Amino acid sequence: DIQMTQSPSVLSASVGDRVTLNCKASQNINKYLNWYQQKLGEAPKLLIYNTNNLQTGIPSRFSGSGSGTDFTLTISSLQPEDFATYFCFQHNSWPDTFGAGTKLELK
Amino acid sequence: EVQLVESGGGLVQPGSPLKLSCAASGFTFSSNWLNWIRQAPGKGLEWVASINPDGSSTYYPDTVKGRFVVSKDNAKNTGYLQMNNLRSEDTAMYYCARGHHFDYWGQGVMVTVSS
Repeated sequence: DIQMTQSPSVLSASVGDRVTLNCKASQNINKYLNWYQQKLGEAPKLLIYNTNNLQTGIPSRFSGSGSGTDFTLTISSLQPEDFATYFCFQHNSWPDTFGAGTKLELK
Repeated sequence: EVQLVESGGGLVQPGSPLKLSCAASGFTFSSNWLNWIRQAPGKGLEWVASINPDGSSTYYPDTVKGRFVVSKDNAKNTGYLQMNNLRSEDTAMYYCARGHHFDYWGQGVMVTVSS
C-alpha cells in the first residue's frame, strides 16, 4: 500500500500568512493527489484534485503543486475560515490512501 | 443541488451486521462512482469502499475486504454499505462521497461497535 506522510502535523499561523502544507507519497503517484479541508464536526470538503486543479467554488488563494512523490498545498493569504485540518489523498492505485492530516491552528 | 444523506448507523455488538444507506439527489446517480470513507473518533480519514457507476466493479482495502459489501441501486438513487462481522475497530463516522474525487460528501452517520 502507498503511505502518505503529511508535514507538519500541526502548523500555527496568523491571518494573512502564506502557508505551505506538505504531503509525501511512499512511491510515485503521478498527479493523482487530492487535498481536502475538514472543519470540526463537518464532513471533509474537496479543495484540489489531481495535484493542481481547483475545485469549483474554492477560493483562488488555495493552490496545489508537485508530482511523483512530493506535493504541496499553499494558502496564499490565510483567512479566519481557513483554520481547519487538511488531508491529502492518493488515488493512483488501490487501495486509495489518506495522509494523517495537518491541523492549521491560529497562532 | 447535490445532496447525499446517510442513514442506518447505530450501536451494535461485535460480530453483528449493519447496513448503511446513502440517498443521493441533484445529480445523475447512475453516472457516478460512489464511495464510503470512515473516520474513527479523533482520528484521520480511511477509504472503505468504492463502486463504479453501473455497479459492476467494487474495491476495498484489506481492513474490510470480505466483511463489507458496497452496492448501488441506480433506480432508487441509493447506495449501500453492508457491514458484516463488525469489530470494535470499525467504530467510526461513515461518510458516502461522490465520484473519483469525492467532490460531494454526506453529513455522515455514526457506527459504534461495542458490547
